[in-house]
Parts: sequence; C-alpha cells; structure tokens
Amino acid sequence: QVHLVQSEAEVRRPGASVQLSCKTSGYTFINYHVLWLRQAPGQGPEWMGLINAGNTKTKYSQKFQGRVTIVRDTSANRVYMELSRLTYEDTAVYYCVPTRDILSGFFEDWGQGTLVIVSS
Amino acid sequence: SYELTQPLSVSVALGQTARITCGGDNIRDYSVHWYQQRPGQAPTLVLYRDVNRPSGIPDRFSGSNSGNTATLTITRAQAGDEAAYYCQVWDSTAAWVFGGGTELTVL
Repeated sequence: QVHLVQSEAEVRRPGASVQLSCKTSGYTFINYHVLWLRQAPGQGPEWMGLINAGNTKTKYSQKFQGRVTIVRDTSANRVYMELSRLTYEDTAVYYCVPTRDILSGFFEDWGQGTLVIVSS
Repeated sequence: SYELTQPLSVSVALGQTARITCGGDNIRDYSVHWYQQRPGQAPTLVLYRDVNRPSGIPDRFSGSNSGNTATLTITRAQAGDEAAYYCQVWDSTAAWVFGGGTELTVL
C-alpha cells in the first residue's frame, strides 16, 4: 500500500524559493518514478517534472525548466522539489505522485498535497 | 501543445445519468483517464484507458472515447458523486495533460 506524506503549507515572498518534501513508504522506492504536479485554484492539475528514484534521472516540463529541481534521498525514501523565483502565479497545491510505470500515463496514488502561497 | 476542453459545470438529478465530456483534437487516438476530486482532497482515479475502472470504483462509472470527444458517464447519480472531474491524457509532446475540470452538481 503506497503511503505518501507531504510537507506542510508554505508562504513565500515573490522572488523567493520553496522546497517541498514527499515521504514515501509501502513500496520499493527505487523501482518508481515520482512526479510533481501542481494545481492552481480553480484549475486542473499541471505536470511539473519527475525523477527516476532508481537512477536519479530527471525530466522537467518546459514551462518550469530552469526554475524547478527534483532530487531524492534513498536513505529516507524522500523526494524533494524546489521551485525558485516564485511569482504570485505559483500559488497552488503541489502534489507528489509516484508511479511504477510512467508509460501507463495515469496516476493511482497521490500525496495529500502541499499548499504554497506566494504573497508580499 | 495538446489541449483538453471540459464544460465548467454539469448538473444531474439524483438517481439520473450524468455525462461529462472532454474535448480534444482526435482524442480518439489517445487513452483518456478520469479523476474525481472532492474539495480539499487530492484527485482520485475513477477510469483509466477510456473504459477501465480501478478496484473500488462502482460500475456506475463508465467511459467512452470517439472522434474528438471522450465522455465520463455516471449512472444513478448519488449525492456522494458531487465533485470536480478531470480528464487527462499523455501526449508525446506535452506529456501529461489535464482538462480544466467539470464541477458535477447532484440536484
């Protein structure tokens, strides 16, 4: 049974950075990819990037390239996502989503989400 | 980039059938997945690859995909079905793409 616990809500000023964490359990960590998606108020989810927890290879959405970094810690079964140069438009709920088969195209397990508010 | 279009809202009478559409260019060539999201919660997968239900999803939920429209059908609608519903595909250029969501109201 996949279990995910994401870090608590964050408030940041415009221009700042934020790092979110996702603690995973219930599966073999290195056998999965972990994706990060976000959902702005009233909108559908949006893919930001992913990491192969086995070999650390990452892939980022072109929209966030240069601003997002995803890393993993195998000793803690955690994945981290850092987003820099925040703007008001980055106010959203951020989700970590592990998947064993990224070719499946769909997502069965989602973290509970972390709210990030960008406010001056 | 590939775009998915959903109606903002759909209403259905209790016990009747709701149909939520998802429009996309030649969407029939894609596998469409559907998620239910209740307020304050993460999305939950209710259909995958157009017509398949994950375990625990009742057979009141079904799907179809043809031409430029995919449809999520909910029969015998219940109050507990009130939620936002999102369609999603994987596109070779845009990767994982979601629709804007449809709010289902059960009257």
